[in-house]
Amino acid sequence: GQQVMQIPQYQHVQEGEDFTTYCNSSTTLSNIQWYKQRPGGHPVFLIQLVKSGEVKKQKRLTFQFGEAKKNSSLHITATQTTDVGTYFCAGPSRSNDYKLSFGAGTTVTVRA
Amino acid sequence: GAVVSQHPSRVICKSGTSVKIECRSLDFQATTMFWYRQFPKQSLMLMATSNEGSKATYEQGVEKDKFLINHASLTLSTLTVTSAHPEDSSFYICSADRTNNEQFFGPGTRLTVL
Repeated sequence: GQQVMQIPQYQHVQEGEDFTTYCNSSTTLSNIQWYKQRPGGHPVFLIQLVKSGEVKKQKRLTFQFGEAKKNSSLHITATQTTDVGTYFCAGPSRSNDYKLSFGAGTTVTVRA
Repeated sequence: GAVVSQHPSRVICKSGTSVKIECRSLDFQATTMFWYRQFPKQSLMLMATSNEGSKATYEQGVEKDKFLINHASLTLSTLTVTSAHPEDSSFYICSADRTNNEQFFGPGTRLTVL
């Protein structure tokens, strides 16, 4: 099935700093989705990117889909303690667009 | 956003018993639901795709006779872990697909097998 690679696995950020997490696929994706899972919680849908080169913003979060539709990034500016959690990217499975293949996730901790 | 509920949220059982987990889409109909398994500090691993009115589709390596899935209605899918063993202890999460491949996740069920 589709393999979605995500780095870094862990991100320790000073409050107020920016960071970026990256997602890469070996094949072209029809779309890519991002989810956030708080500690002890379940994944919550953040956004879906569909178009080549698409950039979407949600307050301090900026999501980008690569021109080749093989990579994506999530950039968070001015990190806050509320940003703590694990961020997953997910792409459609090669065999079935309704199935998602999740990246390993980037777990973010924030130093106040 | 859409709401998906999952019951129970936490279950502890003895080895050899069976445990049923329910996943419900509360405000929309879901012809397709998904069951995931998540080990501590790891990503979500898709176990199976649950299709309303038909047999579930299992991912490679997932035993269909051990993880029984039933999707009897457009709002309910159940996962039964049969003859549970300690290695089955995990966080089980369901999700329902509504539109545009956006999946809404249930709150998860933490299973501990003693």
